[in-house]
Amino acid sequence: QSVLTQPPSVSAAPGQKVTISCSGSSSNIGNNYVSWYQQLPGTAPKLLIYENNKRPSGIPDRFSGSKSGTSATLGITGLQTEDEADYYCATWDSSLSAGVFGGGTKLTVL
Amino acid sequence: EVQLLESGGGLVQPGGSLRLSCAASGFTFTSYAMNWVRQAPGKGLEWVSTVSGNGGTTYYADSVKGRFTISRDNSKNTLYLQMNSLRADDTAVYYCAKLNEWRFYYFDLWGRGTLVTVSS
Repeated sequence: QSVLTQPPSVSAAPGQKVTISCSGSSSNIGNNYVSWYQQLPGTAPKLLIYENNKRPSGIPDRFSGSKSGTSATLGITGLQTEDEADYYCATWDSSLSAGVFGGGTKLTVL
Repeated sequence: EVQLLESGGGLVQPGGSLRLSCAASGFTFTSYAMNWVRQAPGKGLEWVSTVSGNGGTTYYADSVKGRFTISRDNSKNTLYLQMNSLRADDTAVYYCAKLNEWRFYYFDLWGRGTLVTVSS
């Protein structure tokens, strides 16, 4: 059972928009920054969003992040088949003194 | 080139030990906290451990506390994970990851991972 809760899967058609939620508590998301990672099949995770809503260079603006209270959301617009991957949220949990990841969400582009 | 390269994975019997290494290059190693993150087959990412830039502060997941030890040799730009009393549920790909800045807490560089299999 992950400290951060994500839906196991989401799906949408090419060109559409999808959102992935990440729910936590005051000890993690509520008082710390959230980051998001994309993991393509058979590869290492890659940083997608940091400090809740910032994109590293090279990440298209189709990807966005937001945070409100103890929840965070990853948004992907203009879905492409190459976006099919697993997505994870992460943050620090101040009560546990531990890094925490969401359970991951598998995105299927139909 | 900025990169992390893990090594040391392999097959080990339950109760055995293994030491993983992560060679860093292309950035000022001592300036950054480093981490181990693992992924069991078909499962999600699990944070394992963090060590501060000078090696003086460490954190561990409850699942490995008392069995794993994270350390670093800044003169060699290398991160280590000593794993003792290994169990079947430690079987995973182990990734080395660089923490950009602790107060913002995000991993901006990952290695390719090394597979650890615990089985008799």
